[in-house]
Amino acid sequence: DSGVTQTPKHLITATGQRVTLRCSPRSGDLSVYWYQQSLDQGLQFLIQYYNGEERAKGNILERFSAQQFPDLHSELNLSSLELGDSALYFCASSERPGGFSGNTIYFGEGSWLTVV
Amino acid sequence: AQTVTQSQPEMSVQEAETVTLSCTYDTSESDYYLFWYKQPPSRQMILVIRQEAYKQQNATENRFSVNFQKAAKSFSLKISDSQLGDAAMYFCAYRSLNTNAGKSTFGDGTTLTVKP
Repeated sequence: DSGVTQTPKHLITATGQRVTLRCSPRSGDLSVYWYQQSLDQGLQFLIQYYNGEERAKGNILERFSAQQFPDLHSELNLSSLELGDSALYFCASSERPGGFSGNTIYFGEGSWLTVV
Repeated sequence: AQTVTQSQPEMSVQEAETVTLSCTYDTSESDYYLFWYKQPPSRQMILVIRQEAYKQQNATENRFSVNFQKAAKSFSLKISDSQLGDAAMYFCAYRSLNTNAGKSTFGDGTTLTVKP
């Protein structure tokens, strides 16, 4: 158990719909990351937050958005869903965004999203 | 931008034998972290081992060890006495120490099969 909690674990929804994925980081971790892993593919970085502020942005679609709340949990919002958005969405956390300490990123178990 | 390359999409090893997974990366930075993550069929991302670039000594975790060649930008993972439970996809990852770029960059993964 990495200490990173993601909900829901599985989600099936229709095209055009909107979903919200939730992540609670490890206790003490201030930085949260979202990754997307499509079937048989590697991990694509979406976005990073540190202590409530956006720190880095990757290949995140405009239909997707995220935020980190004062209690440090994060939500990833996916809207106008398409079939190609079906993937495993990982949340990860680390103590700090960078630097020599707290540099290991720990992953949650992921949220499986199926768009039908 | 940093890139990570895993040139072996698939590898297989006989149980109890040793296998080495390759990883190369490209960066202009002098200090960074490198990781190997294991993703079993459950799809959970599990940290296997990490290496700090400023350390010359290769990291070791039980049956897992790395061969870190900084000048060659190579970071291979050696699994000794392979076990059936080692069967998984393995991802090599690079993480900058730049506080404004704390995300990790992942390779495309190597699927390891362990034959009994």
